[in-house]
Amino acid sequence: AQSVSQHNHHVILSEAASLELGCNYSYGGTVNLFWYVQYPGQHLQLLLKYFSGDPLVKGIKGFEAEFIKSKFSFNLRKPSVQWSDTAEYFCAVNAWNQGGKLIFGQGTELSVKP
Amino acid sequence: ETGVTQTPRHLVMGMTNKKSLKCEQHLGHNAMYWYKQSAKKPLELMFVYNFKEQTENNSVPSRFSPECPNSSHLFLHLHTLQPEDSALYLCASSQEGSGNEQFFGPGTRLTVL
Repeated sequence: AQSVSQHNHHVILSEAASLELGCNYSYGGTVNLFWYVQYPGQHLQLLLKYFSGDPLVKGIKGFEAEFIKSKFSFNLRKPSVQWSDTAEYFCAVNAWNQGGKLIFGQGTELSVKP
Repeated sequence: ETGVTQTPRHLVMGMTNKKSLKCEQHLGHNAMYWYKQSAKKPLELMFVYNFKEQTENNSVPSRFSPECPNSSHLFLHLHTLQPEDSALYLCASSQEGSGNEQFFGPGTRLTVL
């Protein structure tokens, strides 16, 4: 069965620090990969996604993620975080042959101190 | 109104009650989803509907009964729930097929006493 693992449950950073959140998945076939974010009191929303092509994907608000197929990883990065990035971040995987079915990781809570 | 809406936003029910959660999407999508979000656990996909037909039931107990009368509306009927069913229930919609972004509603916070 497919699974997604996010290694960091809670990350605390100061403003301007660099961020990297880990995401690994288990599935041997072709995948689509997503990062969603949930700001306090708001809906889950898409940060960025990878389908094919350039493995370095840029999303909204200065976030990017790199797909490394050999490592089954899709880590999220931001060079300099802001207080407004405080949120919960979810990695998700969609196998190409399973329609819209998304498998989510357990989420990483990011707290940014001003 | 735009996006994905869910009602009610909060629901408290006893184990013998029957209640329903409602989801409506205004995005012209043809696929809709129910997820369960519990503390410290991954979002769990419960049901998938494509073009009003159920295409996924992720081993969900029969006390949860989905209904999709058309592509814009999705219901989750609840009956004789257990306290461990207390969670945030999220609805999402997308275009049918793999790789399409899912748009989420705000969720219904359910507490079962």
